[in-house]
Amino acid sequence: AQTVTQSQPEMSVQEAETVTLSCTYDTSESDYYLFWYKQPPSRQMILVIRQEAYKQQNATENRFSVNFQKAAKSFSLKISDSQLGDAAMYFCAYRRGGNKLVFGAGTILRVKS
Amino acid sequence: DAGVIQSPRHEVTEMGQEVTLRCKPISGHNSLFWYRQTMMRGLELLIYFNNNVPIDDSGMPEDRFSAKMPNASFSTLKIQPSEPRDSAVYFCASSPVGPLYNEQFFGPGTRLTVL
Repeated sequence: AQTVTQSQPEMSVQEAETVTLSCTYDTSESDYYLFWYKQPPSRQMILVIRQEAYKQQNATENRFSVNFQKAAKSFSLKISDSQLGDAAMYFCAYRRGGNKLVFGAGTILRVKS
Repeated sequence: DAGVIQSPRHEVTEMGQEVTLRCKPISGHNSLFWYRQTMMRGLELLIYFNNNVPIDDSGMPEDRFSAKMPNASFSTLKIQPSEPRDSAVYFCASSPVGPLYNEQFFGPGTRLTVL
């Protein structure tokens, strides 16, 4: 069974600084997708960034980027120039064929002003 | 685009009552998912549909839970009878065909409290 592990229950970052959230996953598949979702206090799940496993280049979306290490089964999220609006719960998720998403337990990110 | 619509946003009911949660996916999306979020178990997939057909319901906790998708624009998740341990946030999500088919768009969730 596929599992997704987020080992950091909570992280803090100073406004304008950079923070990295960790995620590891377990799979025997070679073709799959990885995602980071953000859940602010409003509860709305918002897609932050995604990575296709067959792509070697790390995905980036403005201030958000990933470090995808396929051999190590690691998929960390880096947030640069952190803003107060980045404070939320962040979920790492794995998906292969069949459309099922498996989520990690989440990391609470606090941003200090 | 209105996004995925869920109703009600909050539901408080008493143990033993029937609860029906509703979802309207984004127009044109052909996959629909029901998730449950709790502190203890995190986000769990309950069931998903492709083209209105249930594909995988292995996450449905027990027979008290049932889900239907009578057409492409509407789905329900029913709990009968409800129990306090069913208290959770229930999310509906949909995904499209084509290049973005692997991205799921979530609704705002329904917070269910069973007393």
